[in-house]
Amino acid sequence: DAGVTQTPRHEVAEKGQTIILKCEPVSGHNDLFWYRQTKIQGLELLSYFRSKSLMEDGGAFKDRFKAEMLNSSFSTLKIQPTEPKDSAVYLCASSLEGHSDYTFGSGTRLLVI
Amino acid sequence: GDSVTQTEGQVTVSESKSLIINCTYSATSIGYPNLFWYVRYPGEGLQLLLKVITAGQKGSSRGFEATYNKEATSFHLQKASVQESDSAVYYCALSDPSGSWQLIFGSGTQLTVMP
Repeated sequence: DAGVTQTPRHEVAEKGQTIILKCEPVSGHNDLFWYRQTKIQGLELLSYFRSKSLMEDGGAFKDRFKAEMLNSSFSTLKIQPTEPKDSAVYLCASSLEGHSDYTFGSGTRLLVI
Repeated sequence: GDSVTQTEGQVTVSESKSLIINCTYSATSIGYPNLFWYVRYPGEGLQLLLKVITAGQKGSSRGFEATYNKEATSFHLQKASVQESDSAVYYCALSDPSGSWQLIFGSGTQLTVMP
């Protein structure tokens, strides 16, 4: 079984740039989540999709973060413009609808300089 | 709102010693949430370690145990004898079984097991 695939594994961006992170969920999973992981804040939910519909867009992250899911097998997270405080690991996870047993990707480590 | 608290950001234990990682939760809008422990080993993705969905029950996996204590609103992770390979970041989490099933995570505890 293929797990959740995230690309790229690492990304370095200059302040003000636009970056796009990609995620392929487990085939058949209807729920998809984007999280930001930092040592200080831990895991913070950025976006949540169910059957491609955006269910939650992470409140505080709305202005520069936009997640999309154009089909059931692919999602993107755009950060525009990037700021140094966005440096973190971005995790994508998927699950069967109504299940909290998430399958996580390995994450994208973003560094904004 | 609902939340999960892990008081220790870092824990260091010698190999073969016992371990406890504390987790408490607040689920004012849920009542009886589902509870989870996730783990991230170095170089790997976050993965489910164990879960318990019934108050009073114990979950176990890979020698780790956690008991759902609804009176104390706690879900502490324990292991009788840790190994160096247990070094990882451990996250406690909850979800609302009657709502969105979205996971709410604690801030994580970095466990380092010394040889």
